[in-house]
Amino acid sequence: LAKTTQPISMDSYEGQEVNITCSHNNIATNDYITWYQQFPSQGPRFIIQGYKTKVTNEVASLFIPADRKSSTLSLPRVSLSDTAVYYCLVPYNQGGKLIFGQGTELSVKP
Amino acid sequence: EAGVAQSPRYKIIEKRQSVAFWCNPISGHATLYWYQQILGQGPKLLIQFQNNGVVDDSQLPKDRFSAERLKGVDSTLKIQPAKLEDSAVYLCASTPGLAGTSTDTQYFGPGTRLTVL
Repeated sequence: LAKTTQPISMDSYEGQEVNITCSHNNIATNDYITWYQQFPSQGPRFIIQGYKTKVTNEVASLFIPADRKSSTLSLPRVSLSDTAVYYCLVPYNQGGKLIFGQGTELSVKP
Repeated sequence: EAGVAQSPRYKIIEKRQSVAFWCNPISGHATLYWYQQILGQGPKLLIQFQNNGVVDDSQLPKDRFSAERLKGVDSTLKIQPAKLEDSAVYLCASTPGLAGTSTDTQYFGPGTRLTVL
């Protein structure tokens, strides 16, 4: 069972880089790691997905070490609008079902 | 491209009453999901459809919850009778690919906030 563990909450200030680490010790060989963002009163929204090493898009970067037992979401120069809950998802078996954990509540302060 | 639509956005009922939620996924998306999100927790999958067939309903409380996707497009989720602990946001999501594809992005609707008094 690929259960994920993330910090429950994090605080940051505008303009800082924020790194949120997720551990997934039992990740399967074919599993991808996906991160979602959720604002209050909205459904979760896809941010980034990766399999190994590093992935970067216009919003974030995702770092995955060689053993793939953890991953780090990096948000460069956060703003107040990045205040949200961030979820790390890993399928828990070969069926590909996505399990949401509690997520990390990021609070960005001015 | 239109997103996932859900209605109503809010619903308040008394316990033991019935309620139904509606979801219209993104056009052409084969797989549809219903999630329950209790305040302060991550979404929990209730049921997963591929076209009009159920792929996974292992977490659906079948004594009171039911869902259907008759023509493989829209879906309804019903609770009958509702309990206090059913107060939550009910989210619908869809993906273009087959159920269980871990690389497929899930597109979520805004959710329906249910309050059971």
